[in-house]
Amino acid sequence: GQQVMQIPQYQHVQEGEDFTTYCNSSTTLSNIQWYKQRPGGHPVFLIQLVKSGEVKKQKRLTFQFGEAKKNSSLHITATQTTDVGTYFCAADTGTASKLTFGTGTRLQVTL
Amino acid sequence: DGGITQSPKYLFRKEGQNVTLSCEQNLNHDAMYWYRQDPGQGLRLIYYSQIVNDFQKGDIAEGYSVSREKKESFPLTVTSAQKNPTAFYLCASSMGSGNQPQHFGDGTRLSIL
Repeated sequence: GQQVMQIPQYQHVQEGEDFTTYCNSSTTLSNIQWYKQRPGGHPVFLIQLVKSGEVKKQKRLTFQFGEAKKNSSLHITATQTTDVGTYFCAADTGTASKLTFGTGTRLQVTL
Repeated sequence: DGGITQSPKYLFRKEGQNVTLSCEQNLNHDAMYWYRQDPGQGLRLIYYSQIVNDFQKGDIAEGYSVSREKKESFPLTVTSAQKNPTAFYLCASSMGSGNQPQHFGDGTRLSIL
């Protein structure tokens, strides 16, 4: 079945450092979505990428969709303690009415 | 405010008992989903429904059952056949199918007594 892997599983950074998580699919995707889950909370939708090579920015967050539409990345510039949480990518192959969530990357930020 | 309401927040199950988790949405969304999340893990799809009176198995449907009699409601029953039910259960909804963003409820934490 559809496999969606994220790396790293966990990253600990000091406030002000940059952070990147990568999402890789075994198949070509129709679109990819990113979610953030704060500790003890529920996933919250951040963004959706649809086009090959697409880049979108939300303040300090930059999202990219690979040219082959099989991978994606989320980059956070100058992390803050409010960025703490687990970031999930969620893949849509376009063949089923559901998303396949990645394994997630847990980000810890310390002062 | 529109949103998804899951209840209860915490639930305890005895051996051999079936329990039902409630999920209600007032977003007028067609599609609804149930996920299971184990500590430090990602979300695994249990069941999903695109329209009323129709639902499909996800990746880990064994030991679970659902119904979709109303657009607003998608209850999940954890049956006694589910031998390892302790987990965080999340309900979500979306306007349409897989390419639409999903909105999540606050979740239900289920534990075995």
